[in-house]
Amino acid sequence: AQKVTQAQTEISVVEKEDVTLDCVYETRDTTYYLFWYKQPPSGELVFLIRRNSFDEQNEISGRYSWNFQKSTSSFNFTITASQVVDSAVYFCAPLSGTYKYIFGTGTRLKVLA
Amino acid sequence: SAVISQKPSRDICQRGTSLTIQCQVDSQVTMMFWYRQQPGQSLTLIATANQGSEATYESGFVIDKFPISRPNLTFSTLTVSNMSPEDSSIYLCSVKGGHGNTEAFFGQGTRLTVV
Repeated sequence: AQKVTQAQTEISVVEKEDVTLDCVYETRDTTYYLFWYKQPPSGELVFLIRRNSFDEQNEISGRYSWNFQKSTSSFNFTITASQVVDSAVYFCAPLSGTYKYIFGTGTRLKVLA
Repeated sequence: SAVISQKPSRDICQRGTSLTIQCQVDSQVTMMFWYRQQPGQSLTLIATANQGSEATYESGFVIDKFPISRPNLTFSTLTVSNMSPEDSSIYLCSVKGGHGNTEAFFGQGTRLTVV
């Protein structure tokens, strides 16, 4: 069975602080993709990053960085120097098989001015 | 990337009625997906719609309640039938694309309230 856990229900930070969102994906699959999506108050889901299970290199893209550790099943996402516009619900969503995404319960991020 | 348009963006409906949600994609895609997001919850896949065949429903969802049409490679509809307040949710249409055809692109969603 596969299980996605986003233990943080809600996080509040002050603008310009760094914030890390946690995700744990437990699976027996050896090959999979991991995604992070952002859902602002408007409701649309916005693709942020994709990672495959073969690559554990940490990467940085602008203010976003992510840390994938297969040994601990963790796929964490960090926003550096947060901004008010980053306020949204963030979903971790592994891709199981060829088409089915398993969405985590989401973490609501509030960035305060 | 794919651009997905959903109509309506929101609606308030009376219980017992039905609502059909339309999803238009700007490119041809084999598979289209319908998700439900209940208030404060995560996304749950309702069904997968392939052109020219019956939709495949996930556990807990049935065709009588959520009939789906897929008349061509750029369009699909989801009907929420005989609605009750428990059907109040955001309904999202999605397609796959991008690198390795693994990224999911979503419409802006239809925010449904049943009274």
